[in-house]
Amino acid sequence: DGGITQSPKYLFRKEGQNVTLSCEQNLNHDAMYWYRQDPGQGLRLIYYSQIVNDFQKGDIAEGYSVSREKKESFPLTVTSAQKNPTAFYLCASSVGLADTQYFGPGTRLTVL
Amino acid sequence: RKEVEQDPGPFNVPEGATVAFNCTYSNSASQSFFWYRQDCRKEPKLLMSVYSSGNEDGRFTAQLNRASQYISLLIRDSKLSDSATYLCVQRGGGSYIPTFGRGTSLIVHP
Repeated sequence: DGGITQSPKYLFRKEGQNVTLSCEQNLNHDAMYWYRQDPGQGLRLIYYSQIVNDFQKGDIAEGYSVSREKKESFPLTVTSAQKNPTAFYLCASSVGLADTQYFGPGTRLTVL
Repeated sequence: RKEVEQDPGPFNVPEGATVAFNCTYSNSASQSFFWYRQDCRKEPKLLMSVYSSGNEDGRFTAQLNRASQYISLLIRDSKLSDSATYLCVQRGGGSYIPTFGRGTSLIVHP
């Protein structure tokens, strides 16, 4: 089955801890994205990557970091510097930046 | 990037009703438009693209009005399963990165 997977579905962490969210795709897409969604809010772009070994900050990159060492993988680290990390995190991919985005099932992060 | 604005609703309609949502965008250079559907606590899924000539897919019709800078989604013969949040998305005008609206909530009741 081709698609985008995110793990885990639910994640709980203590305040002050870094946490890494996984995103994997086997669609052979070049572009990948990370979004954050808060209740009643639209999707806000955290980081995106157009191609392997390249990534760019989105609108709300502060307190987050990413890597793109493989085409299939685009992990997101939520650092302790992120002031309000509790949210629903969505990963997406597309053939290229100009193409339709497809989303993974999301990870719901709760920081206690 | 410019904003995309949607009425959050909820739109509460009976089964079989016709319902329409609008979405306004502020960037006149926007090139591509989409409607995504998002079920509660799930990921957004592409519903349909919006072409200049309009787009129809079964009970769903999307229209683009460039002069007034809005797109619309019309749902005919609403089903209970249509209950979801509908996200308006625009892309272009200097950036490939899409801008998402906050979504319009639709509740279809028996």
